[in-house]
Amino acid sequence: GQNIDQPTEMTATEGAIVQINCTYQTSGFNGLFWYQQHAGEAPTFLSYNVLDGLEEKGRFSSFLSRSKGYSYLLLKELQMKDSASYLCAPGGGGSNYQLIWGAGTKLIIKP
Amino acid sequence: NAGVTQTPKFQVLKTGQSMTLQCAQDMNHEYMSWYRQDPGMGLRLIHYSVGAGITDQGEVPNGYNVSRSTTEDFPLRLLSAAPSQTSVYFCASSAGTGRGEKLFFGSGTQLSVL
Repeated sequence: GQNIDQPTEMTATEGAIVQINCTYQTSGFNGLFWYQQHAGEAPTFLSYNVLDGLEEKGRFSSFLSRSKGYSYLLLKELQMKDSASYLCAPGGGGSNYQLIWGAGTKLIIKP
Repeated sequence: NAGVTQTPKFQVLKTGQSMTLQCAQDMNHEYMSWYRQDPGMGLRLIHYSVGAGITDQGEVPNGYNVSRSTTEDFPLRLLSAAPSQTSVYFCASSAGTGRGEKLFFGSGTQLSVL
């Protein structure tokens, strides 16, 4: 079957680093997306990984290991505005309509 | 640059009523889709379209209809609302359906069915 696992909630301190993990099982694989969703708002694109390794984009980095069915999102120098839910979405096939979405990790940043 | 425009923002219906959620995008995107988001669950695909005149069912299509007469518009119709359809609905579009195409989401509709 298809399954995505990510922690329901995490808490971190402003200025610190946090790693949000995502493990997945999909029938086929064609890349993995991370989206950010602030409360009451729409998801917005953060990153896409299709090859193994780390992709860095400013304060945010995303890692993928296809053989382990594992990804993480690394957030550095945390700011209060990073308080949001982070959605992991692996693609099971070649098209957007085959994305499988995790329930999201709610990240709470404390001063 | 409006992006994906979704209306209404909030809606309350009585069981059995019908309504249409509107979605329009101004980015000339081929792909459009509707999702619902429920607490503790991932986004679930309701219907999608890969171009004008082409629609198909997603994971949870029952109780919903769609049409795509133009590239820009992709309305979602609830034929006879049920309490199980209480949810937050998002319209999303992308330039294509290829690898890595990111989705752009509308601002969402909070729907309550009493």
